[in-house]
Amino acid sequence: GDSVTQMEGPVTLSEEAFLTINCTYTATGYPSLFWYVQYPGEGLQLLLKATKADDKGSNKGFEATYRKETTSFHLEKGSVQVSDSAVYFCALNSGGSNYKLTFGKGTLLTVNP
Amino acid sequence: NAGVTQTPKFRVLKTGQSMTLLCAQDMNHEYMYWYRQDPGMGLRLIHYSVGEGTTAKGEVPDGYNVSRLKKQNFLLGLESAAPSQTSVYFCASMIRVGGNQPQHFGDGTRLSIL
Repeated sequence: GDSVTQMEGPVTLSEEAFLTINCTYTATGYPSLFWYVQYPGEGLQLLLKATKADDKGSNKGFEATYRKETTSFHLEKGSVQVSDSAVYFCALNSGGSNYKLTFGKGTLLTVNP
Repeated sequence: NAGVTQTPKFRVLKTGQSMTLLCAQDMNHEYMYWYRQDPGMGLRLIHYSVGEGTTAKGEVPDGYNVSRLKKQNFLLGLESAAPSQTSVYFCASMIRVGGNQPQHFGDGTRLSIL
């Protein structure tokens, strides 16, 4: 079945540091890939997505590239801010008739001033 | 634009009690989902619905029931609450078109079973 593996946290960085959160997946067919962000006490919000190989999703300075050859969708940001502190989830949707999302376990990011 | 609204936001129950969590969406979405979130487990799908009057089991359906009598509402019921059901519950909805559409989430219901 489908699965998503993302790096375990917590990840602690200083403001303006470079961020990478690794995500790899296993899926049948050609899944769509997503990164969601969850701020404390809130629900999940879509951060970015990519729907086919070599697509790059980007939003709020975050980027991730759909790499089919390595089945990866790593999240990156060049300079993190304190406000980026949150839990980040990688997810995939392999299509079909129900469009269920398969989530990774989440990575807690804490950015210190 | 409310999006996905969950009620209640917090609830404490005693073992054996029953309750219903309500999810309402105002985006005319066909698909709706109930997840639970537990530390170190990510989000796990409990039940989902692909349209009004339809429901299906997800990954962890035992101990829960659902109903989708109206397109905009998706109810999650606990008939006899157990401490193992202490969790944060999230509802999500999605428009029907294509697998590349995102799911939209509510802010969650924090449920404690004593």
